[in-house]
Amino acid sequence: AQTVTQSQPEMSVQEAETVTLSCTYDTSESDYYLFWYKQPPSRQMILVIRQEAYKQQNATENRFSVNFQKAAKSFSLKISDSQLGDAAMYFCAYPGAGSYQLTFGKGTKLSVIP
Amino acid sequence: KAGVTQTPRYLIKTRGQQVTLSCSPISGHRSVSWYQQTPGQGLQFLFEYFSETQRNKGNFPGRFSGRQFSNSRSEMNVSTLELGDSALYLCASSTGTSGGSYNEQFFGPGTRLTVL
Repeated sequence: AQTVTQSQPEMSVQEAETVTLSCTYDTSESDYYLFWYKQPPSRQMILVIRQEAYKQQNATENRFSVNFQKAAKSFSLKISDSQLGDAAMYFCAYPGAGSYQLTFGKGTKLSVIP
Repeated sequence: KAGVTQTPRYLIKTRGQQVTLSCSPISGHRSVSWYQQTPGQGLQFLFEYFSETQRNKGNFPGRFSGRQFSNSRSEMNVSTLELGDSALYLCASSTGTSGGSYNEQFFGPGTRLTVL
């Protein structure tokens, strides 16, 4: 069974600073996707960034980037120039091979300090 | 395009009752997935429907069921409610095509169910 682990239940960052959220996962698949989702206090979950395992290059979306280490099964999210609107729960997620069944980590609550 | 909508947004029930939650996907999306979110267990997959057929099912008791209609709208039903069923129920829609690719799931705002 696939597992996704987020070891940081809570983190805080000063506005304009950089923060990295950690995620490790376990899978026997060789080709797969990984995601980071953001859930603000209003609760609507939105996709922040996705990584395809067969791509060597780490994904980047504006201020958000990932450090994908396939051999180590590590998938961390870096948020640069943190903004107050980045405060939210962040979930790392992995879909089972060929399915839309997402396995989520327990989440990291990010606070942004003005 | 309108986003994923879920109704009702809040629901209060008592133990033993049953409840039906509704999810309307983004127009053109044929896959609808349901997730239960609780503080203790986090986000857990319930089931996924594609073109009115259940494609995947999570590890939940048979009291949890769902269906999908020809217009892709989906409902989930929980019978004989227990206190532990109190949770935020999220649905997500996607185009649902497979074949080696993966299409983004778009989440609704959720239905907050409280069981007293």
